[in-house]
Amino acid sequence: EAQVTQNPRYLITVTGKKLTVTCSQNMNHEYMSWYRQDPGLGLRQIYYSMNVEVTDKGDVPEGYKVSRKEKRNFPLILESPSPNQTSLYFCASSLEARSNQPQHFGDGTRLSIL
Amino acid sequence: AQTVTQSQPEMSVQEAETVTLSCTYDTSESDYYLFWYKQPPSRQMILVIRQEAYKQQNATENRFSVNFQKAAKSFSLKISDSQLGDAAMYFCAYRSALGETSGSRLTFGEGTQLTVNP
Repeated sequence: EAQVTQNPRYLITVTGKKLTVTCSQNMNHEYMSWYRQDPGLGLRQIYYSMNVEVTDKGDVPEGYKVSRKEKRNFPLILESPSPNQTSLYFCASSLEARSNQPQHFGDGTRLSIL
Repeated sequence: AQTVTQSQPEMSVQEAETVTLSCTYDTSESDYYLFWYKQPPSRQMILVIRQEAYKQQNATENRFSVNFQKAAKSFSLKISDSQLGDAAMYFCAYRSALGETSGSRLTFGEGTQLTVNP
């Protein structure tokens, strides 16, 4: 089954404790992206990757890191999480950046930073 | 930068009736894609319908259709014969066709929470 898999689905942690949210897709997609969803703001892009070893900042990259060492994986790293990073996070992928094909979304990760 | 605005934070509709959700966007580009996504309580992001800007014909997917007005930069979603399962948050989204210059991000509106009353 074609899918984007995120882990964990829920995480409660404390300020400053490094965490990683994993994202994996099995569709051989070139393009992957991370979004955060906050009430009244919709979804905003954090980082994206056009292909392996090619990443760039989205609209709200502060406090986050990403890597793309393999085509299928695109982890989101919070090296020193803060309470303002409490949010719902989505990983998404699509075949290529310029395609009109829709982005496939993971099921989301609810992060709470205390 | 592109912006997407959904001016209706909440909408309600009676089961079997028709409802229209509004979306406007701002862009200087001529080639782009527009999407409506549905987010039920399960949090999944489910594609409802998509429209290519170069196509004049409005997209239709079963009970879902759009009214795409390119000059007015408007992209509304009409849901006919509403069902209880249509209750969800709906997001309008814009994606540039110029992938290399904008990162092909989806720019989302704020969302419209749709309630379907039995």
